[in-house]
Amino acid sequence: EVQMVESGGGLAKPGGSLRLSCAASGFTFSDYNMNWVRQAPGKGLEWVSIISSRSNYIYYADSVKGRFTISRDNARNSLYLQMNSLRVEDTAVYYCVRERSEADSSGSYVNFFDPWGQGTLVTVSS
Amino acid sequence: DIQMTQSPSSLSASVGDRVTITCRASQSISTYLNWYQQKPGKAPKLLIYAASSLQSGVPSRFSGGGSGTDFTLTINSLQPEDFATYYCQQSFITLYSFGQGTKLEV
Repeated sequence: EVQMVESGGGLAKPGGSLRLSCAASGFTFSDYNMNWVRQAPGKGLEWVSIISSRSNYIYYADSVKGRFTISRDNARNSLYLQMNSLRVEDTAVYYCVRERSEADSSGSYVNFFDPWGQGTLVTVSS
Repeated sequence: DIQMTQSPSSLSASVGDRVTITCRASQSISTYLNWYQQKPGKAPKLLIYAASSLQSGVPSRFSGGGSGTDFTLTINSLQPEDFATYYCQQSFITLYSFGQGTKLEV
């Protein structure tokens, strides 16, 4: 069974740091791009960051650029998110998400998120 | 960045109804559009990818359509388990973005 299990969430003070981890199993982790997506309490989904399968490209949402760092260890089947300079608005459930690709009717490959981990809650408060 | 706008933000319906949710992109995204379903306290689940391709295991009462900037998610004959929040997401550019969500209520 394909599964991702996040850990490392908790309470942090504004300006503080946390490191999230995601343990993947049931698939060849090194074959897939991985993402972090977050959801503030009662709000919608916000994409945070992507790392390619071999870590050769990485992108961030503007809201976290310069503060968060995504990384992975393919030997350990693990994804990470180092969060520094945390702000109250970073409070959210953080999901680890596998990215898949399939061809559409024209033969173009479309990327999508499947499956999602269960999420880990990060609360930033003084 | 590409902005995704869903309408309506909330929708009341009954079991057996047919409902349609709309998603509009701020620029053309071809068919790089995916739909997710989220139930309270749970992680989102993929329903449709590439605008109209049904994810394996998803009931055929769900269907998607559209291309360019305008997309739809249609649910035929609503079932009790379909009352949830639905999100569209573009994957045309790697700075991915979601719609704000549509809450489908009884």
